[in-house]
Amino acid sequence: NAGVTQTPKFQVLKTGQSMTLQCAQDMNHNSMYWYRQDPGMGLRLIYYSASEGTTDKGEVPNGYNVSRLNKREFSLRLESAAPSQTSVYFCASSGTSMNTGELFFGEGSRLTVL
Amino acid sequence: AQSVTQLGSHVSVSEGALVLLRCNYSSSVPPYLFWYVQYPNQGLQLLLKYTSAATLVKGINGFEAEFKKSETSFHLTKPSAHMSDAAEYFCAVSDPRANSKLTFGKGITLSVRP
Repeated sequence: NAGVTQTPKFQVLKTGQSMTLQCAQDMNHNSMYWYRQDPGMGLRLIYYSASEGTTDKGEVPNGYNVSRLNKREFSLRLESAAPSQTSVYFCASSGTSMNTGELFFGEGSRLTVL
Repeated sequence: AQSVTQLGSHVSVSEGALVLLRCNYSSSVPPYLFWYVQYPNQGLQLLLKYTSAATLVKGINGFEAEFKKSETSFHLTKPSAHMSDAAEYFCAVSDPRANSKLTFGKGITLSVRP
């Protein structure tokens, strides 16, 4: 039972390069989310998708784009990476609305931008 | 808007001692409250949640938390710490109304001494 799978687990980029973080869930959940985790700052929501075909900005969307490819997959793209985007990125999903349901997290993708 | 405050960034206890991790919230409406745990190099997983039912909530691994409206608190406790409890713990709050999003605290690292 895979749950939420993120790829890649580690990535090093140079400033200005682009990349896409992939996320897939096998729990038939409607809602999916991208968070970033930075030391001393907890988790901050970047973008979320309440259902297939919809996406909305979270707390820190600048510099990112997302695509809800289908019900299973939700990707996060950095078009022109900056050192401030060095972070650990987590994808999560939930079967009900976020505030009453449980979030299921992937294991994270550690990104370093030089 | 909702927010949570987790005072301090690190708590250290001896194995077998009481664990107390503090969380205070701010919310303009009666909130939903959550505790998540993150073990090293893993994603977050739900420990327990309060969604306006019983004020004393029991979670996994012997943890519990009590919602105290008068103190705007949702502290996490465990009577006897185990080495395996060493992890980072996050308190989170949400507005019960539709389409609300979770707001996480900055997290507290729990260390357990032999």
